[in-house]
Amino acid sequence: SQTIHQWPATLVQPVGSPLSLECTVEGTSNPNLYWYRQAAGRGLQLLFYSVGIGQISSEVPQNLSASRPQDRQFILSSKKLLLSDSGFYLCAWSGKSGRALLGLGDTQYFGPGTRLTVL
Amino acid sequence: GNSVTQMEGPVTLSEEAFLTINCTYTATGYPSLFWYVQYPGEGLQLLLKATKADDKGSNKGFEATYRKETTSFHLEKGSVQVSDSAVYFCALGSYIPTFGRGTSLIVHP
Repeated sequence: SQTIHQWPATLVQPVGSPLSLECTVEGTSNPNLYWYRQAAGRGLQLLFYSVGIGQISSEVPQNLSASRPQDRQFILSSKKLLLSDSGFYLCAWSGKSGRALLGLGDTQYFGPGTRLTVL
Repeated sequence: GNSVTQMEGPVTLSEEAFLTINCTYTATGYPSLFWYVQYPGEGLQLLLKATKADDKGSNKGFEATYRKETTSFHLEKGSVQVSDSAVYFCALGSYIPTFGRGTSLIVHP
């Protein structure tokens, strides 16, 4: 069966420090991968998605970046954190079913999340 | 572009009450529709989905029917439990998924 891991689970960082959050998926190959941010009491904000190794699409311009060095590894980074970067970061994957390839959507599977607090 | 609108919460109910969380969408074509649930401190998990008009998704007593004529996918449950307390997200499938803002459900004993 497929599993998705995120680490760390919680992180407290000072303003201006760097960030690296990691997400790995097991039990599937060539998944679509996503990074979302969820601010307190708010909905999901899609930050980045990737359809393959080295292919990253950014949905919101900001001081974050993402990389996909391996098929099932997705990394979220920042060189200098801002207070506004605090939130709950979620990684997700989905398959490339026929419906997904047609743009009709497939189920997304979410990781447990990383709670980031920037002080 | 695609969009999803769901009722704002929190929705507060007593145990065994009937639940409806409204969700309407705007989309081109015939995208899949989803309901996800998020328990405190956790990631989202799929609750149910429907892939075409008039399909009914169901799971754990929850149901939602894909209504193309009203562009809706309302979530219902006949008798809620305290353990159903969570945040519920309606979502629309596409190349880039679209999520509603989430509705918090609080069920009191």
